[in-house]
Amino acid sequence: GAVVSQHPSRVICKSGTSVKIECRSLDFQATTMFWYRQFPKKSLMLMATSNEGSKATYEQGVEKDKFLINHASLTLSTLTVTSAHPEDSSFYICSKSGDYNEQFFGPGTRLTVL
Amino acid sequence: GQQLNQSPQSMFIQEGEDVSMNCTSSSIFNTWLWYKQDPGEGPVLLIALYKAGELTSNGRLTAQFGITRKDSFLNISASIPSDVGIYFCAGRLSGTASKLTFGTGTRLQVTL
Repeated sequence: GAVVSQHPSRVICKSGTSVKIECRSLDFQATTMFWYRQFPKKSLMLMATSNEGSKATYEQGVEKDKFLINHASLTLSTLTVTSAHPEDSSFYICSKSGDYNEQFFGPGTRLTVL
Repeated sequence: GQQLNQSPQSMFIQEGEDVSMNCTSSSIFNTWLWYKQDPGEGPVLLIALYKAGELTSNGRLTAQFGITRKDSFLNISASIPSDVGIYFCAGRLSGTASKLTFGTGTRLQVTL
């Protein structure tokens, strides 16, 4: 069964509003989780590594003030897209590492900013 | 960010045919993973490879970790309609922590 869940599965919001996406590890604790963004017909691009109890590590070119990541518990990481604009519309996917450094992905969240 | 070169970009095959796709990089990887993604869903792990030369099967799927550690391939035998989807390779660079680099994807279409 699924080991990672995401909520919501899809969200539509107005430009300028903020949107929070939750990523939960369903089986074991996850001290590290990952956030990816995927544009239509494109591959997954890592945005940031979420670390429980410490600051997230952002990839080059990803605005940390725009994409706020909070990993406040061992099973939950959240991504908040602040002041969303239409160009932020994308498919956001989180993942966690397994016992052998493989990654297990959530079902994704489709964000549409009007 | 860096991406792996994956080929072919897309392929149309008939049900029952075998499929082969590969992933190459100019860098050395210490882990290769193969995923399948259906529309509107997250990627699902198919096969994980950890040693150069390793050959691993999962049902009709077989994947190999290239000897040079710079490539990997995935074969699907006797394809069926539910094999339709996008297949991604992903690798972990030597000397990095847990981050994955993803391939550009291979879109597979199966006709009856």
